[in-house]
Amino acid sequence: DQQVKQNSPSLSVQEGRISILNCDYTNSMFDYFLWYKKYPAEGPTFLISISSIKDKNEDGRFTVFLNKSAKHLSLHIVPSQPGDSAVYFCAARDSGTYKYIFGTGTRLKVLA
Amino acid sequence: EPEVTQTPSHQVTQMGQEVILHCVPISNHLYFYWYRQILGQKVEFLVSFYNNEISEKSEIFDDQFSVERPDGSNFTLKIRSTKLEDSAMYFCASSPGQHNSPLHFGNGTRLTVT
Repeated sequence: DQQVKQNSPSLSVQEGRISILNCDYTNSMFDYFLWYKKYPAEGPTFLISISSIKDKNEDGRFTVFLNKSAKHLSLHIVPSQPGDSAVYFCAARDSGTYKYIFGTGTRLKVLA
Repeated sequence: EPEVTQTPSHQVTQMGQEVILHCVPISNHLYFYWYRQILGQKVEFLVSFYNNEISEKSEIFDDQFSVERPDGSNFTLKIRSTKLEDSAMYFCASSPGQHNSPLHFGNGTRLTVT
């Protein structure tokens, strides 16, 4: 039962362009959503989050959008840089259990 | 910036042996978690721990697994009678527990069961 889905396993983007990573969820008890970045041999690093009462949160080059009716969130990175190349995981917290459930990840490659 | 520290970075063990994975969460954090990632797969929730007891556990976290906070700083995951399919990266995470606070992860322990 995959409650958090990232349907694109990989994405390639030219340096300077926008990267858009998508995530869908099924559980209406999720109230807090996060994006993590992961390099090989390292743990996931927190990037940006959004509460379910908001529809947008911005931090520098990173913006997260939440569409609650569609149960969809996305991460926009603009402009993309080669150092952004990593695996990106979306995660969602269950408001009842405080469990954080992760998606399967999208490997982003930013081409110089 | 405070970090979650995990040791060892790599553990090799034989099938049937017991292993203990160690974690030192960030000092003022109140919630502690273990996740695992089998190679190329998703990051899977194993267990959460709060106020010296397990608050949630997944179906993966059966009697083979246990967690402990033996003192004020360490948080351990014990895997008894390891199986080949236990080979994975195991990540410890902690959170301050305030409303809408992210998990902070360690760099993981790569467990290889031979």
